[in-house]
Amino acid sequence: SFVLTQPPAVSAAPGQTANITCGGPNVADNSVHWYQQTPGQAPVLVVYDDSDRPSGIPERFSGSNSGNTATLTISRVEAGDEADYYCQVWDISSDHVVFGGGTKLTVL
Amino acid sequence: QITLKESGPALVKPTQTLTLTCTFSGFSLTTSGVGVGWIRQPPGKALEWLALTYWNDDRRYSPSLKNRLTITKDPSKNQVVLTLTTMDPVDAATYYCAHRHWGGVFDYWGQGTLVTVSS
Repeated sequence: SFVLTQPPAVSAAPGQTANITCGGPNVADNSVHWYQQTPGQAPVLVVYDDSDRPSGIPERFSGSNSGNTATLTISRVEAGDEADYYCQVWDISSDHVVFGGGTKLTVL
Repeated sequence: QITLKESGPALVKPTQTLTLTCTFSGFSLTTSGVGVGWIRQPPGKALEWLALTYWNDDRRYSPSLKNRLTITKDPSKNQVVLTLTTMDPVDAATYYCAHRHWGGVFDYWGQGTLVTVSS
């Protein structure tokens, strides 16, 4: 079945840019969605359909998807962005949902 | 406003069957394209998709757990029920239900319910 690979950890200093990747074979053929999860809380959707933002999500959060890698980019990182981030696709071929293993973003 | 809330036992014994209910508001499970999914997260670990039910009564299950899972819906009560048989300590997790929108995105999530498996 489809597998999404994320780096376990990413770090960035306040004001810098954090890039979190999500790899999978021809992942660009699928729409990728990104969730932010802080400790003890339910996941929150921050980017959907590769690059769209739900209402209320800051413009600092953006996404892209090309070839075998989707990327969540957080610009001008803030302390409040420290969280776990998960990518997710709906594998059309199997009609199954797949989550990546998650990436912990640390704000230095 | 879409809301979802999970309910069920906080503690189950090994070999027992877990039954969880997701009660939702703000949408109808008879609307084309809508679905409700279940996702779990063991302590300190990643999210794991379990099951999904659609407006048209279609259902999908995680390949690794399909033999133990059943998802049903009752649109008249705005509820979706998940059962997981033969519980084991490795099934201990926070279980979430979520609203599935077109394109397979989970745009609204419940708060989650923590299930412990112990004798």
